[in-house]
Amino acid sequence: KQEVTQIPAALSVPEGENLVLNCSFTDSAIYNLQWFRQDPGKGLTSLLLIQSSQREQTSGRLNASLDKSSGRSTLYIAASQPGDSATYLCAVRHFAQGGSEKLVFGKGTKLTVNP
Amino acid sequence: KAGVTQTPRYLIKTRGQQVTLSCSPISGHRSVSWYQQTPGQGLQFLFEYFSETQRNKGNFPGRFSGRQFSNSRSEMNVSTLELGDSALYLCASGGEVLAYNEQFFGPGTRLTVL
Repeated sequence: KQEVTQIPAALSVPEGENLVLNCSFTDSAIYNLQWFRQDPGKGLTSLLLIQSSQREQTSGRLNASLDKSSGRSTLYIAASQPGDSATYLCAVRHFAQGGSEKLVFGKGTKLTVNP
Repeated sequence: KAGVTQTPRYLIKTRGQQVTLSCSPISGHRSVSWYQQTPGQGLQFLFEYFSETQRNKGNFPGRFSGRQFSNSRSEMNVSTLELGDSALYLCASGGEVLAYNEQFFGPGTRLTVL
């Protein structure tokens, strides 16, 4: 059974700091990994999608890496801003039993960037 | 291009009632997935539809059901509501190549069961 873990559960940093969020998964049989952000009471906003054959993806101040063999991904946020405060979720598209696929989520890291 | 839309945004129901939630995917997307989000369990997969067919189903009781229409819009129905069904229900849409496509989420429907 695929399990996704995100550490730490919460993180508080001063504005301007570079930071890394971690995501680990137990089964390397994945199609892709996707990072999302969620603001309180809102839906999920897709940040980056990494296919299983890729090592990293970049978008602006965000960089996500994927090491499928070790079951790890990191989301690097450069020069953090108060507007980056949100919960960050990672999810793997997992090849499940019976030929189906589904998205399995971690519980998220709640990031607070202090001015 | 408009994003994923969900209606209604908020619902208050009492135990035993039933509820129907609606999701309209991004134009051109034929895949719609539904998730339940609660503080304790996080995001849990309910089911996925593609071209009006249910492709995948999560581990939820039969009270949770869904369907997809020919225009790709999807509905989710919960019958005999229980207090534990209170949650944020999110739907996501994706493109053609299901295994590799990016998922885009709607704003969710907040269901409160009293």
